[in-house]
Amino acid sequence: DQQVKQNSPSLSVQEGRISILNCDYTNSMFDYFLWYKKYPAEGPTFLISISSIKDKNEDGRFTVFLNKSAKHLSLHIVPSQPGDSAVYFCAQITGGGNKLTFGTGTQLKVEL
Amino acid sequence: IAGITQAPTSQILAAGRRMTLRCTQDMRHNAMYWYRQDLGLGLRLIHYSNTAGTTGKGEVPDGYSVSRANTDDFPLTLASAVPSQTSVYFCASSVTPASGSGINEQFFGPGTRLTVL
Repeated sequence: DQQVKQNSPSLSVQEGRISILNCDYTNSMFDYFLWYKKYPAEGPTFLISISSIKDKNEDGRFTVFLNKSAKHLSLHIVPSQPGDSAVYFCAQITGGGNKLTFGTGTQLKVEL
Repeated sequence: IAGITQAPTSQILAAGRRMTLRCTQDMRHNAMYWYRQDLGLGLRLIHYSNTAGTTGKGEVPDGYSVSRANTDDFPLTLASAVPSQTSVYFCASSVTPASGSGINEQFFGPGTRLTVL
């Protein structure tokens, strides 16, 4: 059973508009989440993270929101740019030593 | 070398053959990880190592083994490859956080695309 779920396999957004990528989790014992971005034929790269002591973390055009009661987090990208087109994975720390459980990913396409 | 390197970039392998995927990092990170990425399943942890000399099993360890003889290298071995091990394999590393002290991001290599026929 998937502990970290990304229910939208794909998302298409126009350049300049907001992209919202969603992620749900089941295990609330671990309270640190990360978003990774992946281009084709490359490894994932870290984008932004959030811990449960916060409900929002912002870094430039990227903001992550955490709703602990709903066990839900979202990544907002605004304004979206064509270079943002990639697969986005959310991940949850699920053990000591930095072990991560990843969601299945959402393919974002930002169109001109 | 800068960051994490993986070799080979891609490989086609006959079922039943033995294969070792190589991973080297030059960041002096304590922890290293192996993941496989499959369509619709995201990245799943195969094995990990919190420090040189220690290893642990991840979510999908069967059919794979690892060793961590030193800080920099973390090879993944398929003793007898099967078609279900066709996947893209990513190695990653991170600084191991002290207990209860937050988190450190994992840095990923470029991946190895493995096809088992």
